[in-house]
Amino acid sequence: DVKVTQSSRYLVKRTGEKVFLECVQDMDHENMFWYRQDPGLGLRLIYFSYDVKMKEKGDIPEGYSVSREKKERFSLILESASTNQTSMYLCASSLRRLRKAYSNQPQHFGDGTRLSIL
Amino acid sequence: KQEVTQIPAALSVPEGENLVLNCSFTDSAIYNLQWFRQDPGKGLTSLLLIQSSQREQTSGRLNASLDKSSGRSTLYIAASQPGDSATYLCAAEGVSYNFNKFYFGSGTKLNVKP
Repeated sequence: DVKVTQSSRYLVKRTGEKVFLECVQDMDHENMFWYRQDPGLGLRLIYFSYDVKMKEKGDIPEGYSVSREKKERFSLILESASTNQTSMYLCASSLRRLRKAYSNQPQHFGDGTRLSIL
Repeated sequence: KQEVTQIPAALSVPEGENLVLNCSFTDSAIYNLQWFRQDPGKGLTSLLLIQSSQREQTSGRLNASLDKSSGRSTLYIAASQPGDSATYLCAAEGVSYNFNKFYFGSGTKLNVKP
């Protein structure tokens, strides 16, 4: 069975700390994504990666960075955590589409990390 | 830019009722349309995926349809049960340059009353 694993379900950090959120997938997917989900705002894309060492900004990249040193692992980094980064963070992965090939393969999500910044 | 809208935002029905959740999108150039379920405090679980060339997909009591020309998808749940209570999200997958990009609706929160 396919699996996207996020390292922590719950995390509490302090303002100004550097925070690392880890995500690992075992499906050999090229694409990996980080979203945050807030009440009333839905899912918003922070960053995504379409290959090792490749990354692209999503809709809300400010205050975040990412790292993809290995295909299976995608890390989200909060450089200096602030209270407005308290949120649910969701990692996802998918196959890269080659034209319409693999368009029947879904995006898979981890269980999420509930991050609180105090 | 693709925009995905889900109506209604919340729905409460008695157990056993058949129901329809709606999803609309503004750009018909999509690879597929995916429906997810999200339980409180959890991640998203994929329910059904309809490729752009397909009209519908079925899994058990769930049936999803896709009409690209009108920019609409529906998720039909037959004989609803309390265990179906969750938030349901739809996502349209498109391509931006060489990347896959997913556009999510804000979800419909379903409550099925025993």
